[in-house]
Amino acid sequence: AQSVAQPEDQVNVAEGNPLTVKCTYSVSGNPYLFWYVQYPNRGLQFLLKYITGDNLVKGSYGFEAEFNKSQTSFHLKKPSALVSDSALYFCAVSLRGGKLIFGQGTELSVKP
Amino acid sequence: EAGVAQSPRYKIIEKRQSVAFWCNPISGHATLYWYQQILGQGPKLLIQFQNNGVVDDSQLPKDRFSAERLKGVDSTLKIQPAKLEDSAVYLCASSQGTLAASTDTQYFGPGTRLTVL
Repeated sequence: AQSVAQPEDQVNVAEGNPLTVKCTYSVSGNPYLFWYVQYPNRGLQFLLKYITGDNLVKGSYGFEAEFNKSQTSFHLKKPSALVSDSALYFCAVSLRGGKLIFGQGTELSVKP
Repeated sequence: EAGVAQSPRYKIIEKRQSVAFWCNPISGHATLYWYQQILGQGPKLLIQFQNNGVVDDSQLPKDRFSAERLKGVDSTLKIQPAKLEDSAVYLCASSQGTLAASTDTQYFGPGTRLTVL
């Protein structure tokens, strides 16, 4: 079965420190991977996606993600966290036809 | 560019009542999706339209849920009768591709929060 896992329900980071939100996937064929962010009472906002090519993908608001085929991972990273980055982050894999399968989400808390 | 619009933003109903949600996708986007997001979980696809045709409704509880996309633009999702377990956020998304490509980015609306009492 095709799936996405986010092993951490919550990640706590101090402002200015680097952050990592983890994601692993299980799919047959080439994986197309996405990261979305959700602020309270808001819809999901697209951050970045990996389709093919360079394993390091750069996205919005200074976020980037590293695709690792051997470890079947697609971790989201940012060199220096901001308090305003505090939100719920979802990793997703796109199946044939465009259907997204989401992880359960990781709550990121950045403290001043 | 205007984003995906949804209404209402919030709805509270009693079980066994009916409810309808409306979605207006980004102009020109051929593919429209409805997702259900239960508290503490990631969104789950309910139905996918390509223009005004259904591509995937395998996860839609068809005994109580229905959806349509007349004229290939706006869409309506209906629940009748509602159950307690339908309490969730209903998200509408759209993507540009006409082939429902798995590489297309989906853009989400703000969602409708449904509470069933």
